[in-house]
Amino acid sequence: NAGVTQTPKFQVLKTGQSMTLQCAQDMNHEYMSWYRQDPGMGLRLIHYSVGAGITDQGEVPNGYNVSRSTTEDFPLRLLSAAPSQTSVYFCASSYLRDSRATSALKAYEQYFGPGTRLTVT
Amino acid sequence: AQSVTQLDSQVPVFEEAPVELRCNYSSSVSVYLFWYVQYPNQGLQLLLKYLSGSTLVKGINGFEAEFNKSQTSFHLRKPSVHISDTAEYFCAGSYNFNKFYFGSGTKLNVKP
Repeated sequence: NAGVTQTPKFQVLKTGQSMTLQCAQDMNHEYMSWYRQDPGMGLRLIHYSVGAGITDQGEVPNGYNVSRSTTEDFPLRLLSAAPSQTSVYFCASSYLRDSRATSALKAYEQYFGPGTRLTVT
Repeated sequence: AQSVTQLDSQVPVFEEAPVELRCNYSSSVSVYLFWYVQYPNQGLQLLLKYLSGSTLVKGINGFEAEFNKSQTSFHLRKPSVHISDTAEYFCAGSYNFNKFYFGSGTKLNVKP
């Protein structure tokens, strides 16, 4: 298993540009999420999904869009990049309760990708 | 609003000494709590979690945490740390398993 993969690893954008951060997992996890990590602020949830076709907002959704057309992929789109979106972005996935978890102990254990470091100038 | 607070931004400790990293949560409903570790330039890795049952939870790498409902705390402990434990540690909580709230992190610096 590759686990959770994210591309690109690094990206520099100019203000106003758009881009998509890719996230994929090969563990058949129902739940997927996007976080941003800023110094001294921990991780903040941007958007999450509990299955294909189902997405919802997290704590800091403004300026970001998501879609979940397949179980495996959960891309994050920046529509018009702003310097305030300079951050490290992490994608994560996990099983949900009463799902196909190999054991109950695996439910809700989020597996994180390696991150994308984004700079907006 | 739900929140998770980590009281210490940095904790220096000597190798083989015990360590406690503090985490408090705010909640009037049932809460599920997690500790993650992040090594430099990597993603987060789960150390342990509390969903229900025994309030003392054991995790990987010799770490354990105790859920204390009366003090709304979930402190992480290790009786003897190694240089390799140097990393940033995050406490996280969830009330419905859809939204997770992370603390601001504690950098553990283990000195020889």
